[in-house]
Amino acid sequence: ETGVTQTPRHLVMGMTNKKSLKCEQHLGHNAMYWYKQSAKKPLELMFVYSLEERVENNSVPSRFSPECPNSSHLFLHLHTLQPEDSALYLCASSQGDRGTYEQYFGPGTRLTVT
Amino acid sequence: GQNIDQPTEMTATEGAIVQINCTYQTSGFNGLFWYQQHAGEAPTFLSYNVLDGLEEKGRFSSFLSRSKGYSYLLLKELQMKDSASYLCAVREAAGNKLTFGGGTRVLVKP
Repeated sequence: ETGVTQTPRHLVMGMTNKKSLKCEQHLGHNAMYWYKQSAKKPLELMFVYSLEERVENNSVPSRFSPECPNSSHLFLHLHTLQPEDSALYLCASSQGDRGTYEQYFGPGTRLTVT
Repeated sequence: GQNIDQPTEMTATEGAIVQINCTYQTSGFNGLFWYQQHAGEAPTFLSYNVLDGLEEKGRFSSFLSRSKGYSYLLLKELQMKDSASYLCAVREAAGNKLTFGGGTRVLVKP
């Protein structure tokens, strides 16, 4: 396994369902991120975890609940979503927050809420 | 907050040069990134500027002027595979947070 992986790649869920998105990084990084990418809108940062501690919560509704059990894994738990939450959800990781510590992105989970 | 502007779309011919501009207004600044994103794929890192001037990496170069809040990405000797969206992102003065522009979709024609 290399880089950043995400599962599932596609997910269709009803508004009353509960599901989780999973991200795993194999790069030895210590920071992980969730982003939302909607059509015609900029990539939006949702959450940042640094050394397994949440350091950023970008005014995200409580129906999105992140979890970072260790530095390699990141989850996004979803419940009672709305159709406008349909989007591509991207996970990323980086080695710290200094210098050229670029973020490496996973392939994303395409979420459709019906 | 931060405001990052870049053109929505650009078209260029194979073998030509294209310059994608990015302007930003920020309360803090700790670096500017350019990412490439092909349709349906993850963004991939292209370049990073934190000091004024030009950074060159093969066919791609990126320029930064902090006093003007301005950057550009220059793509030379365009190839069909360069057709993608190019995302400009600014990192605030502290922390890991990146704020992205809307992206510029570049279409390379034969």
